[in-house]
Amino acid sequence: AQKVTQAQTEISVVEKEDVTLDCVYETRDTTYYLFWYKQPPSGELVFLIRRNSFDEQNEISGRYSWNFQKSTSSFNFTITASQVVDSAVYFCALKGSGYSTLTFGKGTMLLVSP
Amino acid sequence: SAVISQKPSRDICQRGTSLTIQCQVDSQVTMMFWYRQQPGQSLTLIATANQGSEATYESGFVIDKFPISRPNLTFSTLTVSNMSPEDSSIYLCSAIRDVNNEQFFGPGTRLTVL
Repeated sequence: AQKVTQAQTEISVVEKEDVTLDCVYETRDTTYYLFWYKQPPSGELVFLIRRNSFDEQNEISGRYSWNFQKSTSSFNFTITASQVVDSAVYFCALKGSGYSTLTFGKGTMLLVSP
Repeated sequence: SAVISQKPSRDICQRGTSLTIQCQVDSQVTMMFWYRQQPGQSLTLIATANQGSEATYESGFVIDKFPISRPNLTFSTLTVSNMSPEDSSIYLCSAIRDVNNEQFFGPGTRLTVL
């Protein structure tokens, strides 16, 4: 069975602060994929990143960065210099090999105040 | 990537009625899925829509309540039957093109049942 845990239900920060969203996963697959999605108040789910289990390199995209550590089964997401537009619910998700579907965490609501 | 559209974007329905949600993808995809997101909750997979055959339902979801069609490789419908207020949710259509691609989501249909 696959499981994704996002222990932080809600995080509040002030603009320009850095914030890290935690994600811990469980899977028996040796090949798997990890994802982060953003869901702003409008409701659509925006794809942010996919990482496969064989690629542990950290990734940076603008103010966003991701830290994948297989040793701790974690795939954490950091926003640097947060902005009000970053306010959203962020979901971490896990997909096994083959034609399996996504298992989502419960999401972390990020509130960035001016 | 794939662009997914859904109709309607939102609806308010009366108890006991049914609503059919349409999902259109801008290119052929291998797999299509339907998710439900209850207020303040994460995404739960309802079923995998199979082209030309009956959908594959997850535990807790049945065909009589959520009949699904997928007549071709770009289109699917989900019907929410005999609705009750507990069916008030966002319903999201999702698709992947092949096993190595990202899973994309439609904008969702916000359903309110009175």
